[in-house]
Amino acid sequence: NAGVTQTPKFQVLKTGQSMTLQCAQDMNHNSMYWYRQDPGMGLRLIYYSASEGTTDKGEVPNGYNVSRLNKREFSLRLESAAPSQTSVYFCASSAGTVYTQYFGPGTRLTVL
Amino acid sequence: AQTVTQSQPEMSVQEAETVTLSCTYDTSENNYYLFWYKQPPSRQMILVIRQEAYKQQNATENRFSVNFQKAAKSFSLKISDSQLGDTAMYFCAFMKPWLSGGYNKLIFGAGTRLAVHP
Repeated sequence: NAGVTQTPKFQVLKTGQSMTLQCAQDMNHNSMYWYRQDPGMGLRLIYYSASEGTTDKGEVPNGYNVSRLNKREFSLRLESAAPSQTSVYFCASSAGTVYTQYFGPGTRLTVL
Repeated sequence: AQTVTQSQPEMSVQEAETVTLSCTYDTSENNYYLFWYKQPPSRQMILVIRQEAYKQQNATENRFSVNFQKAAKSFSLKISDSQLGDTAMYFCAFMKPWLSGGYNKLIFGAGTRLAVHP
């Protein structure tokens, strides 16, 4: 049982490049989330998907788009990367939006 | 708006001793959930313990226990018999259930870095 998986683990981009972070869960969870973690700030929610077919903005959605591809997969896209998006990105899932969230291992993204 | 404050940026403890990490939160809600997550150097976020506000009994999970003081809006984590593997960043988090549906926002504190020394 892998839980929540994320790819890639590390990525370096140049300003203006685009990329997609992938997330998958094998726990049959309905809800999935994308967070970013910056030093001294804890985690902040970027986007979430309460259930398959729905997505909504979190606290810091600007510069990002998401796709809930199916129940298992939830991707995060940076269309034109900026240095301010240098961060560690975490995907999480939960059985429903009232339940405990379980996190993936994170992706460290550096934008030069 | 809900906020979560962890007033101890860093703490250290000797192996086998007990340490308490502090967390306070601000909310006007009566029903909510509180969590402690652990983030070791591997960066993985691991759930340590969860507390429902409507439960008066403090949650425990092996060597980890909480002191939940609802009136004081305090939610501290006690780690007993500290082990080297407990070295990690610890995050306190708050969630207000949105009973009518939608997202139940998980709000994190800034974290406390705990070092366990031999």
